[in-house]
Amino acid sequence: DGGITQSPKYLFRKEGQNVTLSCEQNLNHDAMYWYRQDPGQGLRLIYYSQIVNDFQKGDIAEGYSVSREKKESFPLTVTSAQKNPTAFYLCASSIRTEVYEQYFGPGTRLTVT
Amino acid sequence: AQSVAQPEDQVNVAEGNPLTVKCTYSVSGNPYLFWYVQYPNRGLQFLLKYITGDNLVKGSYGFEAEFNKSQTSFHLKKPSALVSDSALYFCAVRDIVGGNTPLVFGKGTRLSVIA
Repeated sequence: DGGITQSPKYLFRKEGQNVTLSCEQNLNHDAMYWYRQDPGQGLRLIYYSQIVNDFQKGDIAEGYSVSREKKESFPLTVTSAQKNPTAFYLCASSIRTEVYEQYFGPGTRLTVT
Repeated sequence: AQSVAQPEDQVNVAEGNPLTVKCTYSVSGNPYLFWYVQYPNRGLQFLLKYITGDNLVKGSYGFEAEFNKSQTSFHLKKPSALVSDSALYFCAVRDIVGGNTPLVFGKGTRLSVIA
């Protein structure tokens, strides 16, 4: 997990509230990613950013929003429009070259009741 | 579109026996292939990757994987399993044609090594 921090590790929210998950990296990586993990479904891509001030939707972007104002930071907001927000959220980063692997943070487990 | 299949949800193996975790892929061009491991409530850890060259790739913790282009497979192997290898394993692919696009992950295979 080294080099990428996600906070908090556990997060609890009431239904209808927006919540922002933090992701910071000190690896000087250009690209950053957000994935959602649910049991039996693997990792599904929410949003990714290849450079500051630019980002693209992934496979399941509805109900989520992101910003990339700094190279080191890629926060994810889970909005009240996300119908099933309870999940394990993983942030990753990589050098902006296709041969390189993605490095993952420790994850944030979000529970919405 | 690129995709990855891990046909087994669960693999059980006795400690000391060889283990194999299967992965097949589909891409339009040539693949970059990756294996990751995840321990409970943790992020994914990189194990190894195939970019080009030798079809047998060696990685962390004694794991290796064999790239087979004709069978579009990239199976993860280890000669002698340890109880501590018990975890969730993910195969991932990136199509060389697509440039620096995000990795596409399989659904994962849970490996259980029994003492």
